[in-house]
Amino acid sequence: DTAVSQTPKYLVTQMGNDKSIKCEQNLGHDTMYWYKQDSKKFLKIMFSYNNKELIINETVPNRFSPKSPDKAHLNLHINSLELGDSAVYFCASSLNSFVRQGAGYTFGSGTRLTVV
Amino acid sequence: GDSVTQMEGPVTLSEEAFLTINCTYTATGYPSLFWYVQYPGEGLQLLLKATKADDKGSNKGFEATYRKETTSFHLEKGSVQVSDSAVYFCALTVGGGFKTIFGAGTRLFVKA
Repeated sequence: DTAVSQTPKYLVTQMGNDKSIKCEQNLGHDTMYWYKQDSKKFLKIMFSYNNKELIINETVPNRFSPKSPDKAHLNLHINSLELGDSAVYFCASSLNSFVRQGAGYTFGSGTRLTVV
Repeated sequence: GDSVTQMEGPVTLSEEAFLTINCTYTATGYPSLFWYVQYPGEGLQLLLKATKADDKGSNKGFEATYRKETTSFHLEKGSVQVSDSAVYFCALTVGGGFKTIFGAGTRLFVKA
């Protein structure tokens, strides 16, 4: 009954490979996000989707492509992986109308990506 | 632009000590303010929130008051426990926005 679930939890891959991370939420939220956390714990937003529509696309290399087949799922595909992509990637969700009132986000447990 | 600044860590305290983690923000409009906590190997969890000036958020013995005049949202706890050891993030969302901006995080170590 996990609220926001990400798979896989760990991903080790070689430079140049293509990989995907999946995220699903069962909270009925309408907005989903991808954040990247670096080794110093700094969190940076990458993408935000509201009802399957891309709302935020920060300065992220176009090797990163999010896809939202429905409002409960937001996947992240990464092409031509580089060493600098190594990080923990977090999926999160919120009910947008409540975000405006301050309900906050629910986070997944993260995917630790290591590029070797 | 909107930003959050929180005190650098790590903060090391003995059990039952008083905790303060400072957080100040810059924002256009009227942000909602949050504290999140991240335990080792886990995702962030919402700890407490405040949506307007002078609101006090509280949870699990932690408190923070939304101070518009000083643009601050400092986190406090009267008596910390070893189990409070984690990284704490201050964050803001501007009303109507789809983006939450996080501070750099403050690592707290509590010794028995």
